[in-house]
Amino acid sequence: DVKVTQSSRYLVKRTGEKVFLECVQDMDHENMFWYRQDPGLGLRLIYFSYDVKMKEKGDIPEGYSVSREKKERFSLILESASTNQTSMYLCASSFGGVTSGRVGQYFGPGTRLTVT
Amino acid sequence: KNEVEQSPQNLTAQEGEFITINCSYSVGISALHWLQQHPGGGIVSLFMLSSGKKKHGRLIATINIQEKHSSLHITASHPRDSAVYICAVIRNTDKLIFGTGTRLQVFP
Repeated sequence: DVKVTQSSRYLVKRTGEKVFLECVQDMDHENMFWYRQDPGLGLRLIYFSYDVKMKEKGDIPEGYSVSREKKERFSLILESASTNQTSMYLCASSFGGVTSGRVGQYFGPGTRLTVT
Repeated sequence: KNEVEQSPQNLTAQEGEFITINCSYSVGISALHWLQQHPGGGIVSLFMLSSGKKKHGRLIATINIQEKHSSLHITASHPRDSAVYICAVIRNTDKLIFGTGTRLQVFP
């Protein structure tokens, strides 16, 4: 079974803190994704990585950065957390190319981040 | 207008009822994904389909590519089916475009 794990289920941080969210997958997937999920807005893509050290901005990258130094690990960084970044953060991974279209993405359990 | 629209947004049902959730999209796609999210956040994949119909237990998913429409059906619904159901489409990249989800509550 594919496993996508995230470093924390719940996290509370103060405004201005630097926040690291980690995601690890064990299926040798090429692609990894970070989403945030907010009521009424659904899932929105923050950043996407299609290979080690490669990244692409999603729909809402402002205020976030990412790091992918190893294939299995994709980190989301909030350089200076703000209250409007309070949200559920979900990581996902998938194979690349046509395989992605056949088997889809696998999601982690999510991290509920509260910034006070 | 969202590229992926789901209806209804909220749905309540009595145990045993037949349930239908609809998804319409306005872009060309290579596949469509139905996802389930239980309270607590984790998302699991129910179906990936690019044509026709798929069935898994009490769940059936259909897609009509010409009409740009997909439906998720649950037969003999049960309280444990209570969750948010999300439709997502894949275009010619690896990225998903998500609907905003349908919140289903099934009461005993």
